[in-house]
Amino acid sequence: DAGITQSPRHKVTETGTPVTLRCHQTENHRYMYWYRQDPGHGLRLIHYSYGVKDTDKGEVSDGYSVSRSKTEDFLLTLESATSSQTSVYFCAISGKAYEQYFGPGTRLTVT
Amino acid sequence: EDKVVQSPLSLVVHEGDTVTLNCSYEVTNFRSLLWYKQEKKAPTFLFMLTSSGIEKKSGRLSSILDKKELFSILNITATQTGDSAIYLCAWPLGTYKYIFGTGTRLKVLA
Repeated sequence: DAGITQSPRHKVTETGTPVTLRCHQTENHRYMYWYRQDPGHGLRLIHYSYGVKDTDKGEVSDGYSVSRSKTEDFLLTLESATSSQTSVYFCAISGKAYEQYFGPGTRLTVT
Repeated sequence: EDKVVQSPLSLVVHEGDTVTLNCSYEVTNFRSLLWYKQEKKAPTFLFMLTSSGIEKKSGRLSSILDKKELFSILNITATQTGDSAIYLCAWPLGTYKYIFGTGTRLKVLA
């Protein structure tokens, strides 16, 4: 257990509403990531952070924003949820080498 | 464009069989390759490979990298039903970014 939690674990929301997912780590790692996982696409990077207030885009960042005001928390916001954002979202942190440790995931359904 | 390709997409075997999963990569600046196992929840780290030809082992799992031919294989011997999972390989794009393959779904029948 790498000390990563995500909340909520499940969420159903309506199209057009904003949604915020939270990732919390107790490992004091510098690097944190948000991925989405969809059938046929594998894991795709949305945004990542390399320190407090330091974030950058991944390959599928449109419609998402992130914030990191503390080392332990990394928030992912869907500004106006769409059905195409129905997915499983994973947060991850980097270990000392290149390996990553993943949180338990959040299943988001946008109706 | 950097790309990680895994094959086969899915595989069904019986307990005791040996399986070989493939990961090929088309990246412009190779650093290392990672393997993960994903059961019903989050991916868990298996191996990191940085040097060509050096086999990494963990119990019945082993993996080797060929930097010249640009592929890696993950072998599982004497498969068990608990090996049923999606196996992912990934390559780090620089220090912060990672690109994952779409995975191989392995099902082991009792």
